[in-house]
Amino acid sequence: DIQLTQSPSFLSASVGDRVTITCRASQGISSYLVWYQQKPGKAPKLLIYAASTLQSGVPSRFSGSGSGTEFTLTISSLQPEDFASYYCQQFYSYPLTFGGGTKVEIK
Amino acid sequence: EVQLVESGGGLVQPGGSLRLSCAASGFTFSDHYMDWVRQAPGKGLEWVGRIRNKPKAYTTEYAASVKGRFTISRDDSKNSLSLQMNSLKTEDTAVYYCTRGNYSGVNWYSGDYWGQGTLVTVSS
Repeated sequence: DIQLTQSPSFLSASVGDRVTITCRASQGISSYLVWYQQKPGKAPKLLIYAASTLQSGVPSRFSGSGSGTEFTLTISSLQPEDFASYYCQQFYSYPLTFGGGTKVEIK
Repeated sequence: EVQLVESGGGLVQPGGSLRLSCAASGFTFSDHYMDWVRQAPGKGLEWVGRIRNKPKAYTTEYAASVKGRFTISRDDSKNSLSLQMNSLKTEDTAVYYCTRGNYSGVNWYSGDYWGQGTLVTVSS
């Protein structure tokens, strides 16, 4: 199975900060990676697919990059509604796997 | 508008069975792969399994933790997805989400749309 390691698992940031979350795969997965945002009590929301393609309707302050084994999700200027948990998931091979998540909280 | 609505969750004893359903609307259900994803209380997301579409013979994939106990099926005539869960364990306690798969151009990813989730509690 492909393991995805997200870092950090928790980060504290202020409105307007630039935030970067990393997802490392245990083996190469090309660009077969997606990023989700999840708020408490809600279903996850797709932000990025194929490592760097912004899902329709997602603000442009979100961006994704990487290929192979290292990927990043960047929020260029953190907004109040961005405080949430973020997860990566690979769709390169079965079983599909998720990273452990990154919780972004208000400093 | 794409909608996915899960139902069928509840309290069940260890060793018991439960069947979850997901009603889909607002898109051509038969075109898409469909996945189940779960989230234990206070924990992260766990992929449960996938069912492909008719051109791929409705074949399925499962996580090792549920293989042999859970079965995913679909009825394209009713725009419906199901998850039959047997031999339930306390560690199956989670919110279960159905999600729509979409094609990236090279492969199918999950989760461009999600249902609201249904809670399954396995406890004596």
